[in-house]
Amino acid sequence: GDSVTQMEGPVTLSEEAFLTINCTYTATGYPSLFWYVQYPGEGLQLLLKATKADDKGSNKGFEATYRKETTSFHLEKGSVQVSDSAVYFCALSYSGGGADGLTFGKGTHLIIQP
Amino acid sequence: EAGVAQSPRYKIIEKRQSVAFWCNPISGHATLYWYQQILGQGPKLLIQFQNNGVVDDSQLPKDRFSAERLKGVDSTLKIQPAKLEDSAVYLCASSLDTLVTITQYFGPGTRLTVL
Repeated sequence: GDSVTQMEGPVTLSEEAFLTINCTYTATGYPSLFWYVQYPGEGLQLLLKATKADDKGSNKGFEATYRKETTSFHLEKGSVQVSDSAVYFCALSYSGGGADGLTFGKGTHLIIQP
Repeated sequence: EAGVAQSPRYKIIEKRQSVAFWCNPISGHATLYWYQQILGQGPKLLIQFQNNGVVDDSQLPKDRFSAERLKGVDSTLKIQPAKLEDSAVYLCASSLDTLVTITQYFGPGTRLTVL
């Protein structure tokens, strides 16, 4: 079956550091890829998405590129802030109607220190 | 626009008891999902509804879990009887019914503790 693998956390960085959170996937078809974020005390919310190979999703300074050849969707940000501290989930689903529930990775806890 | 509403926010029960969770999706969203998130893991899809019909319940433990969405709006997820391993956060999400890649909007979740 389909699966998503993320780098283990917690990841601790200093403010203004460069961030990479690795995500790779195994899929039988051609899924859409997502990054969701969960801030402390809040619900899951969509951060960015990409629907086909070579697409780049971006939001709030975060970026991720859908790499079909390496089955990856790594999350990057050039300069992190304390407010970016949260748990980040990589996920995939098949869109276009029908069953499109998300398959999530285990999540990566990101801690940004001032 | 109001978000996805869930209740209760917290529930503590003893094993073998029954429990029910309620979800009200965003107005106009035809698709509703229930996920189970065990501590330290990502959410796992339990069931997906399109209006009041089930689209996918392949990961729902049907011997103890049941869910319904009778009028195509609110939904209830029930566990009967509960086991210790059911301790988790139960998330409800909803999305518009479109044929393009869709965004799922999540509620705050119900944290269940089974003692």
